[in-house]
Amino acid sequence: EVQLVQSGGGLVQPGRSLRLSCTASGFTFGDYAMSWVRQAPGKGLEWVGFIRSKDYDGATQYAASVKGRFTISRDDFKSIAYLQMNSLKTEDTAVYYCSRVRTRVSFYMDVWGKGATVTVSS
Amino acid sequence: SFELTQPLSVSVALGQTARFTCGGSNIGSKNVHWYQQKPGQAPVLVIYRDYNRPSGIPDRFSGSKSGNTATLIISRAQVEDEGDYYCQVWDSFTEVFGGGTKLTVL
Repeated sequence: EVQLVQSGGGLVQPGRSLRLSCTASGFTFGDYAMSWVRQAPGKGLEWVGFIRSKDYDGATQYAASVKGRFTISRDDFKSIAYLQMNSLKTEDTAVYYCSRVRTRVSFYMDVWGKGATVTVSS
Repeated sequence: SFELTQPLSVSVALGQTARFTCGGSNIGSKNVHWYQQKPGQAPVLVIYRDYNRPSGIPDRFSGSKSGNTATLIISRAQVEDEGDYYCQVWDSFTEVFGGGTKLTVL
């Protein structure tokens, strides 16, 4: 079964850091790009960023709202994608989803994790 | 930055057809994808590249595009179809989501 299992959410103070993990199974993780999408309470989906496969040198792209603070990385041996979040702000409070990205012709997300809740508050 | 416009809500009678629109400048030149999200759950891909249905998605779900508007259609709407529906495109190396439309089945 193709699935993504997320971990690492929690409560963190403004200015601190947190790392989310997304462990894949059921498919060849290294062949796919992986994306992170977040959803603030009561709001819509917001793309955070993604990392491409090794075939594309693991290139990353980020939304303007997180660029310079968040870093996406991957460990293809362990089949894990990471979202490192630094200098967290209260407006980063959201449920964070990891997803598998299909990149043929266009980019879209065909498998999603269940989400990890991040609360940034003092 | 590229923007996608969706109506806030759509209501449909049980068993009737629901239509969700997604507008954007020059959307005709982009592939549009649609996601369903039920309360408290992760999004699920229901249509990719304008009109393709992933395996496991009922054939009641279909997609189309004309001019600057893409449309998701749910035929014979069921109570279990209630939720939020988001369109998404790939633009300038970013993934862009519409604001989402809430479906209510009456």
